[in-house]
Amino acid sequence: DIRMTQSPASLSASLGETVNIECLASEDIYSDLAWYQQKPGKSPQLLIYNANSLQNGVPSRFSGSGSGTQYSLKINSLQSEDVATYFCQQYNNYPNTFGAGTKLELK
Amino acid sequence: EVQLVESGGGLVQPGRSLKLSCAASGFTFSNYYMAWVRQAPKKGLEWVATISTSGSRTYYPDSVKGRFTISRDNAKSSLYLQMNSLKSEDTATYYCARPLGHFDYWGQGVMVTVSS
Repeated sequence: DIRMTQSPASLSASLGETVNIECLASEDIYSDLAWYQQKPGKSPQLLIYNANSLQNGVPSRFSGSGSGTQYSLKINSLQSEDVATYFCQQYNNYPNTFGAGTKLELK
Repeated sequence: EVQLVESGGGLVQPGRSLKLSCAASGFTFSNYYMAWVRQAPKKGLEWVATISTSGSRTYYPDSVKGRFTISRDNAKSSLYLQMNSLKSEDTATYYCARPLGHFDYWGQGVMVTVSS
């Protein structure tokens, strides 16, 4: 199985700040990488797919990058509504696997 | 608007069975693969099962293979998950999701608690 190592596990940032979350795959996943946002008590929402494609309706302050085994999610100009847990997911191979999550809080 | 609504969760004893359902609307259900993803309390996400458009192909991780069965009824736009020989580690919120590789739509989830 492909292991997805996400970092950091938690993050505290100020409004307006830029935030970066990393995801490292145990083998090349050829950009088959998605990012999700999950707010407390809610289901996950797709933000980014194919490593850098923005899902319809997602604010442009969210962006994804990376290739091979290393990927990142960037949030520009952090807003209060961005407080959530973020997960990466690889879908290059079965079983699809997720990172452990990054909990983002406001400083 | 795409909607996925799960039902059938609850408290069940270890070793017993439970069947989850997911009612889909807002898209042509028969044209899409469908999947189940679960999340144990305060934990991460785990893919549980995927089924092809016709139902002829199914995929599972080793953690549930042989115990869980995914199925669908395209006439009713419904997805199912039959869970047998349940274990305490199956306790989780179960989400119905639409897979395009990534999961573009998710239901609100249904809680399954396995405990004596």
